[in-house]
Amino acid sequence: SQKIEQNSEALNIQEGKTATLTCNYTNYSPAYLQWYRQDPGRGPVFLLLIRENEKEKRKERLKVTFDTTLKQSLFHITASQPADSATYLCALADGQNFVFGPGTRLSVLP
Amino acid sequence: NAGVTQTPKFQVLKTGQSMTLQCAQDMNHEYMSWYRQDPGMGLRLIHYSVGAGITDQGEVPNGYNVSRSTTEDFPLRLLLAAPSQTSVYFCASSLIAGHEQYFGPGTRLTVT
Repeated sequence: SQKIEQNSEALNIQEGKTATLTCNYTNYSPAYLQWYRQDPGRGPVFLLLIRENEKEKRKERLKVTFDTTLKQSLFHITASQPADSATYLCALADGQNFVFGPGTRLSVLP
Repeated sequence: NAGVTQTPKFQVLKTGQSMTLQCAQDMNHEYMSWYRQDPGMGLRLIHYSVGAGITDQGEVPNGYNVSRSTTEDFPLRLLLAAPSQTSVYFCASSLIAGHEQYFGPGTRLTVT
C-alpha cells in the first residue's frame, strides 16, 4: 500500500544545533516533494520544493535533500532558533493529488 | 491580496444538518483543494479542482460535495453532517497542480 511517513512525531533540540527531519515514502514515484511549516491554529505555509532530478535545495538556513533510490527526503534547519518551533510537513505529488505526511513537531529549546 | 480566505472560522452542527464551507482566493490560481486535518492523521485531500468547471475526488470524498463555477471560489458542502466529520478543514490554492500551495486559515467544525 502507499504510505508517507515522517521520522518522529516530536523532536526536541537545543538552540543553535541543526535539526534534521526525515520523510519516507512507499509505493509512490513523485516528480517532486514539498515541505511546509504549520504553527498551532494556522494553515500550513510552503517552505521548499525539490524535484526528482535535484539532489539538494537550499533557502537561507533550510536545506532539503531528495533521494529517489532510498525514497527519502531530509529537511535540515541549521543554527536552529526557538522561533523555528513548529510542525513540519512533507508532501508529495501523486498525479494531481497531494499527499501529506503526518508531520513532525519540532521544539527548539533555548 | 487577501490570499486564501475561508468562512466560517468555527462551526457547530448537529448530526444530519447540512452546511457549506466557503473558500475564495484572489491570486487567479487554477488549482484549488480542500483538506481535512485530524490528530495523528495529517492532512487528507477531500476534493480538488484544476480549473473552473472541473472537480475531482481526493482520498476522502465521501459525505462532501464541491463545485467550481468561478476561478475564485471553491465551496465545500456537507450534505448530512456526521460526528466523523468533526475536523479542521483547510482550503488551499496553487497556480497550477503541483506548485506551492497557499492555505487558508482553516475552519474548525464540530458535529454533535
